[in-house]
Amino acid sequence: GAVVSQHPSWVICKSGTSVKIECRSLDFQATTMFWYRQFPKQSLMLMATSNEGSKATYEQGVEKDKFLINHASLTLSTLTVTSAHPEDSSFYICSARRRAGTSGRGSTDTQYFGPGTRLTVL
Amino acid sequence: SQQGEEDPQALSIQEGENATMNCSYKTSINNLQWYRQNSGRGLVHLILIRSNEREKHSGRLRVTLDTSKKSSSLLITASRAADTASYFCAPTYRGSQGNLIFGKGTKLSVKP
Repeated sequence: GAVVSQHPSWVICKSGTSVKIECRSLDFQATTMFWYRQFPKQSLMLMATSNEGSKATYEQGVEKDKFLINHASLTLSTLTVTSAHPEDSSFYICSARRRAGTSGRGSTDTQYFGPGTRLTVL
Repeated sequence: SQQGEEDPQALSIQEGENATMNCSYKTSINNLQWYRQNSGRGLVHLILIRSNEREKHSGRLRVTLDTSKKSSSLLITASRAADTASYFCAPTYRGSQGNLIFGKGTKLSVKP
């Protein structure tokens, strides 16, 4: 259990276009989803925390108008990179935290990660 | 900073040997988690150890926690080539919202 999927797994787009990445918890409800970005040979950097039905909380230095996050249901969060530029090329990873009180193993502090989306902006 | 600091940054061993990675953190925690990341992939949760636990096992993994030293270690016994990956610790601090802040990790290379 505790499977998180991401779609697409990779995307190549032209500079100036917008790209939407989906993150789904397949077998559990996630009150909170997280979006990370990882540049080559670096660690994951938390971009934002997304709670179902409310606005996302962005980390310092992350532009909320550029990285639009929507968490419309307990199993789906989307990240839209608007007007993408080559410097936005990165590996984007989402994670989901299980809703407290739901069945399943593991602490509600455990985050379950998606496989990541490789974004390349030309 | 709030992330755990892994040590060493890189570790290269032969298949069959044990691998030990360490993690240090700053303040009181609720729990500490270890994750693995294969190159170009997402993270896989390995094990969570609570602040009132001292040791935890899962298969070939053994995690210890010393809250007095604010440190944890991850031991992988009888390593395999498939264990080659980066390993991250992630402490969850008391009073936090449970956000995980990742350090640079330990890059483990297991040679066949």
